[in-house]
Amino acid sequence: DAGVIQSPRHEVTEMGQEVTLRCKPISGHNSLFWYRQTMMRGLELLIYFNNNVPIDDSGMPEDRFSAKMPNASFSTLKIQPSEPRDSAVYFCASSFGVRQGEHFGDGTRLSIL
Amino acid sequence: EDKVVQSPLSLVVHEGDTVTLNCSYEVTNFRSLLWYKQEKKAPTFLFMLTSSGIEKKSGRLSSILDKKELSSILNITATQTGDSAIYLCAALAQGGSEKLVFGKGTKLTVNP
Repeated sequence: DAGVIQSPRHEVTEMGQEVTLRCKPISGHNSLFWYRQTMMRGLELLIYFNNNVPIDDSGMPEDRFSAKMPNASFSTLKIQPSEPRDSAVYFCASSFGVRQGEHFGDGTRLSIL
Repeated sequence: EDKVVQSPLSLVVHEGDTVTLNCSYEVTNFRSLLWYKQEKKAPTFLFMLTSSGIEKKSGRLSSILDKKELSSILNITATQTGDSAIYLCAALAQGGSEKLVFGKGTKLTVNP
């Protein structure tokens, strides 16, 4: 079975550029989560969707971050403009409820120079 | 504010040792506690604990929840180098919210 698929795997870009991270959740899952992981702050929930609707975006750092889920099989997380402090690994995860825990993608390692 | 605290932050042991990882939580309307193992990439699910005092076991790993103490432990017996990873604990609140609040993790290194 295909797991959660994220792209790109790695991205290095200069500050000020727009960055778009993509996620395809596991088919049939109705909840999708975007996380950010850094050494200093650990794993932080940015936003999550249920049935394609954003439920809680209180973890989104600021207006430079936005997320969309236009359909059940695709979501994007966009940073515009990007800053060096946005450098982190961004994970997307999906679940059908949380009976067995969320299934994580392999993450996008983002470096902003 | 909901929070999950794990200890220790880092642990180095020799193969064959037994380790205990700790997790404490303060979560409104707590429902369940989950443990994950993160090696090089994404966290992978280990256990979900909902009832206090009932041990869950998978091979050399076991975990138990104490709702009175608002805590959980993860035990690993006869550790192997393959157990080296970051172990994450997360708390789930009930009431329709699906989100997990994660601790910062315990980095376990098992040396041969």
